[in-house]
Amino acid sequence: EDQVTQSPEALRLQEGESSSLNCSYTVSGLRGLFWYRQDPGKGPEFLFTLYSAGEEKEKERLKATLTKKESFLHITAPKPEDSATYLCAALSGNTGKLIFGQGTTLQVKP
Amino acid sequence: NAGVTQTPKFQVLKTGQSMTLQCAQDMNHEYMSWYRQDPGMGLRLIHYSVGAGITDQGEVPNGYNVSRSTTEDFPLRLLSAAPSQTSVYFCASSYSDYYGYTFGSGTRLTVV
Repeated sequence: EDQVTQSPEALRLQEGESSSLNCSYTVSGLRGLFWYRQDPGKGPEFLFTLYSAGEEKEKERLKATLTKKESFLHITAPKPEDSATYLCAALSGNTGKLIFGQGTTLQVKP
Repeated sequence: NAGVTQTPKFQVLKTGQSMTLQCAQDMNHEYMSWYRQDPGMGLRLIHYSVGAGITDQGEVPNGYNVSRSTTEDFPLRLLSAAPSQTSVYFCASSYSDYYGYTFGSGTRLTVV
């Protein structure tokens, strides 16, 4: 069964304290691994797509990486405005369905 | 561009009532999907469509119907509302499943 698991569920950081969020997946025929940001009361906002193991993408303080079993979202020197829930999702090439993880809620304190 | 527009933003239904959640996009996207989001459960796919006239079931389709008569619109129908359908519903669209989806702002539904 296709499954996506994110850890930790919640993460509290001090401003400037770098860390990583993990997304483990077991998906048949992975076609893409997606990262989204979700602010309270809003819909998810697309951040990155990774298509193959070894691929990396960056946007401001965020960098996403992909291996054959997991993806990481690295946050470098975070700021309070980076506080949000980060969702990852895997697209199955066999079923064509996009499967989401449960998310990691990040809080960055000044 | 409006992007993905969902209406209503909030709704309270009584058990057994039916209603339609509206979703419209103005980006000429072929792919559209409906998700529900519950605490601790993440986003779960209800139904999706790869183009006008084509729909398929997701992970949790029971109790919901969809149709896609135009590229722009993808309404979600609750046939007979149940308390278990209390959730936040998101509609999303994309050029292809290979690209990131654009999400609407959601409909918060409470069934009493």
